[in-house]
Amino acid sequence: AQSVTQPDIHITVSEGASLELRCNYSYGATPYLFWYVQSPGQGLQLLLKYFSGDTLVQGIKGFEAEFKRSQSSFNLRKPSVHWSDAAEYFCAVVTQGGSEKLVFGKGTKLTVNP
Amino acid sequence: GAVVSQHPSWVICKSGTSVKIECRSLDFQATTMFWYRQFPKQSLMLMATSNEGSKATYEQGVEKDKFLINHASLTLSTLTVTSAHPEDSSFYICSASAGFQETQYFGPGTRLLVL
Repeated sequence: AQSVTQPDIHITVSEGASLELRCNYSYGATPYLFWYVQSPGQGLQLLLKYFSGDTLVQGIKGFEAEFKRSQSSFNLRKPSVHWSDAAEYFCAVVTQGGSEKLVFGKGTKLTVNP
Repeated sequence: GAVVSQHPSWVICKSGTSVKIECRSLDFQATTMFWYRQFPKQSLMLMATSNEGSKATYEQGVEKDKFLINHASLTLSTLTVTSAHPEDSSFYICSASAGFQETQYFGPGTRLLVL
């Protein structure tokens, strides 16, 4: 069965610093890949997604992610973090040709220091 | 576009009562809706998948008689927690997609507290 690993439970960065959140998936073929963000007490907002094509995907709020097949990774990046980016970030996959179910990682909590 | 709403956002009820949560896709037709449960500081756990006009498919371990799901139209799905107990207290989130393996868009969630 496919799985998603987010190795970092909690990351703290200073405002203005760059950010990279890691995501690795376990699946034999290329899945559809997503990053969602959840603010406290809120639902999930889609940041970006990868289905096929260009492996560098641009999303909302200045985020981007790069799909690396050789590393089974889909890391999320932002060059300069804002205080409002503090939230929980979830990586998720859907297997192509399989079910519609999203498989989520356990999430990475981002804290931004002033 | 792709807005999903949930109502209510907060609900407090007494043990033994039933609670209905609505999930609506506001600007697209959702052929599939999903219901998740999220415990504090944890990831989302899929409870069930519902397709318009057909019975919901429940994940293993989810009691279908306790968590009744109805997907009567392409814009509305409801989750009814029957005979709620304190252990049912949780954050319930729905999502909707416009087609098979299309992107899921999430609602803002409903926090349920059972006293």
